Amino acid sequence: DAKTTQPNSMESNEEEPVHLPCNHSTISGTDYIHWYRQLPSQGPEYVIHGLTSNVNNRMASLAIAEDRKSSTLILHRATLRDAAVYYCILRDAYNQGGKLIFGQGTELSVKP
Amino acid sequence: GAVVSQHPSWVICKSGTSVKIECRSLDFQATTMFWYRQFPKQSLMLMATSNEGSKATYEQGVEKDKFLINHASLTLSTLTVTSAHPEDSSFYICSARDAPLRAGELFFGEGSRLTVL
Repeated sequence: DAKTTQPNSMESNEEEPVHLPCNHSTISGTDYIHWYRQLPSQGPEYVIHGLTSNVNNRMASLAIAEDRKSSTLILHRATLRDAAVYYCILRDAYNQGGKLIFGQGTELSVKP
Repeated sequence: GAVVSQHPSWVICKSGTSVKIECRSLDFQATTMFWYRQFPKQSLMLMATSNEGSKATYEQGVEKDKFLINHASLTLSTLTVTSAHPEDSSFYICSARDAPLRAGELFFGEGSRLTVL
């Protein structure tokens, strides 16, 4: 699986937007970009995923660079509950086993 | 979304004993489940892929005789830590997919915290 690079930590203020970057310069054409987050002492939860086009859902937006070598997870209005470790993961669409290999992620803290 | 449940949420055991952790998909059938281990302040490390009705596939460096995985039904996979030692103390997390060919999300359990004294 291709590797991703994320900042170790980021800070945000409550009710402000947050942009979490991810670099994946060795991404292949069949790699999907997945984002998961893990709240303290819990299992990870799915946030969003995409292939080429930007994606929106009720939790977040995913902006994918035109060359697909980077992407940004956007939380439009951070809340205290969004404090978590956010993982950007690449997964080959032909990997029918479906396993996810986690990197170090970005620890997001949200200040009131 | 689909629900994956683990039991127990936490367990304390004495060194040398075996501990079984269950992972259930509550509202879907999971032909494939995954087991992860997470040490404090570290990321999740994939241990093995569990396939219903067949032997698990272990990641490099994971002892298959130490971490026994059984996936006897489409809704249940178990991880047994045999002859547990303090270094096995960790947060164990399972995950499952509700559609084997879909490139979508994995659903994760709440995790099971194991402490070996």
